[in-house]
Amino acid sequence: QSVLTQPPSVSAAPGQKVTISCSGSSSNIGNNYVCWYQQVPGTAPKLLIYENNKRPSGIPDRFSGSKFDMSATLDITGLQTGDEASYYCGTWDSSLSGSWWVFGGGTKLTVL
Amino acid sequence: QITLKESGPTLVKPTQTLTLTCTFSGFSLSTSGVGVGWLRQPPGKALEWLTLIYWDDDARYSPFLRSRLTITKDTSKNQVVLRMTNMDPVDTATYFCAHIQRGSYHKGGPLGNYYYFYYMDVWGKGTTVTVPS
Repeated sequence: QSVLTQPPSVSAAPGQKVTISCSGSSSNIGNNYVCWYQQVPGTAPKLLIYENNKRPSGIPDRFSGSKFDMSATLDITGLQTGDEASYYCGTWDSSLSGSWWVFGGGTKLTVL
Repeated sequence: QITLKESGPTLVKPTQTLTLTCTFSGFSLSTSGVGVGWLRQPPGKALEWLTLIYWDDDARYSPFLRSRLTITKDTSKNQVVLRMTNMDPVDTATYFCAHIQRGSYHKGGPLGNYYYFYYMDVWGKGTTVTVPS
């Protein structure tokens, strides 16, 4: 069971928009930035979004992130077949005894 | 350009110790604000963070695996080594190493202190480790 909660799957048609949610708590998302990673099957994860809404160079602006309170969302607009992948949110979970990185369970995106 | 590559055994017997090496280029682990982490992904399952080490030798561990993990760095060789003891079939997974980047200084955490946000930005391709039952 993952610390962050994501829907197992989402789907949409090419050209459409999809939103992937990531729910946490005050010990993680509520007090930290969030990152999003894209993982095509058989390959390594790729950073899409860092610090809630920033894109690394080379990531198209079709990908955007936001955070409110203890939840974060990843929006993908203008869906392409190449966007079919699993998407993971992640952040630090912090307590008085220390911090550790946590991920969501991943969301599989199908482009119909 | 930052690159990382994992290497080590593909098959480990139960109770044995796994040793994996991450060899990287494009950055130095003696540079302030830099780190290298290890993560894994069992077949068909989600990503799991294991451990990381920063440029200043500060190391952090997953609370669930802390007793079994050791991470060390060799700055002169541009390598980070992960040791995991007492391997079990449930440890069968693809193991990744990743470059850790220092981000923004912000207020957060349980005490509302200010600190830097560190995140994994570049990953190696991973190496598959199987522990047979």
